[in-house]
Amino acid sequence: EQQVQQSPASLVLQEGENAELQCSFSIFTNQVQWFYQRPGGRLVSLLYNPSGTKQSGRLTSTTVIKERRSSLHISSSQITDSGTYLCAMEQGNTDKVVFGTGTRLQVSP
Amino acid sequence: EAAVTQSPRSKVAVTGGKVTLSCHQTNNHDYMYWYRQDTGHGLRLIHYSYVADSTEKGDIPDGYKASRPSQENFSLILELASLSQTAVYFCASSQDWGNYAEQFFGPGTRLTVL
Repeated sequence: EQQVQQSPASLVLQEGENAELQCSFSIFTNQVQWFYQRPGGRLVSLLYNPSGTKQSGRLTSTTVIKERRSSLHISSSQITDSGTYLCAMEQGNTDKVVFGTGTRLQVSP
Repeated sequence: EAAVTQSPRSKVAVTGGKVTLSCHQTNNHDYMYWYRQDTGHGLRLIHYSYVADSTEKGDIPDGYKASRPSQENFSLILELASLSQTAVYFCASSQDWGNYAEQFFGPGTRLTVL
């Protein structure tokens, strides 16, 4: 059973369009982090968002812990945004982190 | 800026051989983690450590050992590599004890077992 679900699994946009990525989870947590994985593998932390709304540049994350969901909004997408987006969270108070399977984003000119 | 490095960046190993993956962080973080990434499974936690000379099992520890000789270094050891251990391995570090803290990842090691 996948404890952290992400949707959509893949997304194709034209440059300039906005993207909305969803993360829903069945585990108890109070910390959510969003990552970007470049083609080729390197993981980069985008936003660390325990709760509420947090913004960084064109990225906005909204986490509602009691509803067990988090979203990542990418405004005015660019070709260089292409890659995989992962959400991750601590499982209860176990010190273990669980990742979603990711959303693969492709932005075309 | 936080820095986590891994070596080697890629490796080809033979079935039954021993493989050691190394991770080094200069963040002064207490926590370090080893994950593997496979298509369809996302990232899964293998081992982690919150203090030198101590390691803990993650979600998929079978077939792996870990070693934390110092705060900065954390190794993942495959004593008898198997085909199923072909994957990309990521090391990460974080600061806080008890509560999840922002994780910083290394560049990954691509391991192919033949």
